[in-house]
Parts: sequence; C-alpha cells; structure tokens
Amino acid sequence: QVQLVESGGGVVQPGRSLRLSCAGFGYRFSTYGLHWVRQAPGKGLEWVAVIWYDGSIKYYADSVKGRFTISRDDSMSTLYLQMDSLGAEDTAVYYCARDPGNAGNYYYDYWGQGTLVTVSS
Amino acid sequence: SYELTQPPSVSVSPGQTARITCSGDVLTNQYVNWYQQKPGQAPVLVIYKDTERPSGIPERFSGFRSGTRVTLTISGVQAEDEADYYCQSADSSRTHVLFGGGTKLTVL
Repeated sequence: QVQLVESGGGVVQPGRSLRLSCAGFGYRFSTYGLHWVRQAPGKGLEWVAVIWYDGSIKYYADSVKGRFTISRDDSMSTLYLQMDSLGAEDTAVYYCARDPGNAGNYYYDYWGQGTLVTVSS
Repeated sequence: SYELTQPPSVSVSPGQTARITCSGDVLTNQYVNWYQQKPGQAPVLVIYKDTERPSGIPERFSGFRSGTRVTLTISGVQAEDEADYYCQSADSSRTHVLFGGGTKLTVL
C-alpha cells in the first residue's frame, strides 16, 4: 500500500527556517517524481515545487523561489523541503504528492496527510 | 496567462448532474486533472488527462474537453460527493504546476 507521511511542521517565527520531510512507503521511492503542494487556511491548493525521480530537475513556484529548496534522499525514501526566510504568507498545510511517473506526468496519484506550518511571532 | 478559472460554487440536488468547468489559455496544449477534497482531508485524484478515471473512482465521475474548456461531470450526484473540486494543469513550458481556485459542490 503506497503511503506518504509528512512531518516537521510546527510554529515558527517570521524570518526563521524549517525543514519538512515526507517519507514514502510501499513503493520503489527512487523511480517517482515528487511535489510539494500547500494550502493556506480556508484557501485553495497552491503548487510549491517538484523534483524529478533522479533529482536532476527541480522547479519552484515564483512565490518560494530563492527561499525554499526541494531535495530527496532515496536511501531513506524521504523527500525534503527546506524553507528559509519564512513569512506569514507561508502559513499553510504542506502536502507531498507523488507523480505516477518520473515526474513528467504532472498529476498526483497519491498524497500525504499534510503537515501544518504556522508562521507567527 | 497561466491561470485556471473555475466557478466558486455549484449546487445540485441528489440524483442530478453536476458540471464543473475549468478554463484557461494554457489548456490549449495541456491536460487537465481533477481532485476532490473533503474537509480536513487530502485531495483525491478523480480524473486525469482530461478524461481518464483512476481505479476505484465511481463511474459517475467523467471528464470532457471542448477546446480550452474542460468539464468535470458528476452524474447522479450523491450526498457523499459534496466537496471542493480543483482542476490542475501545467504551464506550456511545464516548469510550473497550476491549480484552479476550486469549486465548492453543494448537494442540496
């Protein structure tokens, strides 16, 4: 059974950093692309970043480019999102989501349950 | 522009047909995917590549395209279909993923 489990969310002060993790279970982690998608409270879905199955290609939303870094450790079957210079606008539930191929399909067959990040002083 | 437009809300009675549209210039050459999200839950894929239905998704969910306008149709709506629905695609360079603003489906 494919499962994605996020962790690392919490309350963080503006300007500080946080790293999110997403562990994959029940499938061959290294052969699938992965995305981060976020949802601010009461708002819609917003794409954040994608990493190709081999880590060779990464793209970011304009709103996070230069502040967030997506990475993966296939030996640990884990996806990461390093978030720096956080602001109130980054407050959201962060989901990891799997692309059903190496990342070029650009849709999501499995999602994690999400982890809440709250940026507040 | 790289925007996907959905109606904010759609209301139907049980047993009727709900139609949720998604439009945008980028849809000229990009597929649309649809997700259902219920309160407090992660989204679930209900239609991919305009018309394909994942395994486990009821047959009452279907997708249709006419040019740059794509429609999610739910035939014989049930109370359990009440949720937010999001269309999703990619920009023409496929360096960014796009989501529509979401449509709240209310089953009266």
